[in-house]
Amino acid sequence: AQSVSQHNHHVILSEAASLELGCNYSYGGTVNLFWYVQYPGQHLQLLLKYFSGDPLVKGIKGFEAEFIKSKFSFNLRKPSVQWSDTAEYFCAPPGGSYKLIFGSGTRLLVRP
Amino acid sequence: NAGVTQTPKFRVLKTGQSMTLLCAQDMNHEYMYWYRQDPGMGLRLIHYSVGEGTTAKGEVPDGYNVSRLKKQNFLLGLESAAPSQTSVYFCASSYPHVEQFFGPGTRLTVL
Repeated sequence: AQSVSQHNHHVILSEAASLELGCNYSYGGTVNLFWYVQYPGQHLQLLLKYFSGDPLVKGIKGFEAEFIKSKFSFNLRKPSVQWSDTAEYFCAPPGGSYKLIFGSGTRLLVRP
Repeated sequence: NAGVTQTPKFRVLKTGQSMTLLCAQDMNHEYMYWYRQDPGMGLRLIHYSVGEGTTAKGEVPDGYNVSRLKKQNFLLGLESAAPSQTSVYFCASSYPHVEQFFGPGTRLTVL
């Protein structure tokens, strides 16, 4: 069965600190990779995606992610977090031909 | 464009009661999904559909049934609710192999 692992369950940062959230997956086929964000009390929204080409992809709100095929990783980064980035972040690689598999999520708390 | 909508937003059931959650999308997406979200467990796929009239089991299908009679609608049914089904339920839709768009969720409590 396909799997995904998010290494950090809870992260607490101060504003302006840098962020990196790890994501490793097991799917060996062609990968379309996603990071979603869920702000408190809201539904999931797409943060960024990778389909092909440049392995460094940029998303909304200054987020970026790097696809490293050899490591089956798709880590999320942001150089300087803001209080408004407080949210839960989900990595979502393919879980098969028709579906995604969502990681258990990382709760980020940014202190002002 | 309303995107993905879910009805109802909140519901409280007693053990053994039944209910149906409705998901509707106006983006002409082929694929639709039902997830449940529980603390610390991320999103787990209950059932999904790759087209009108087709459904398939996901990771946690027991206790749930689904139907996709129209392309734009995906219904999730609980025939006999149990406290273990207390959760937040999200519907999503997508074109094949691209990002999923999520609804606002339904918070269900089973007493």
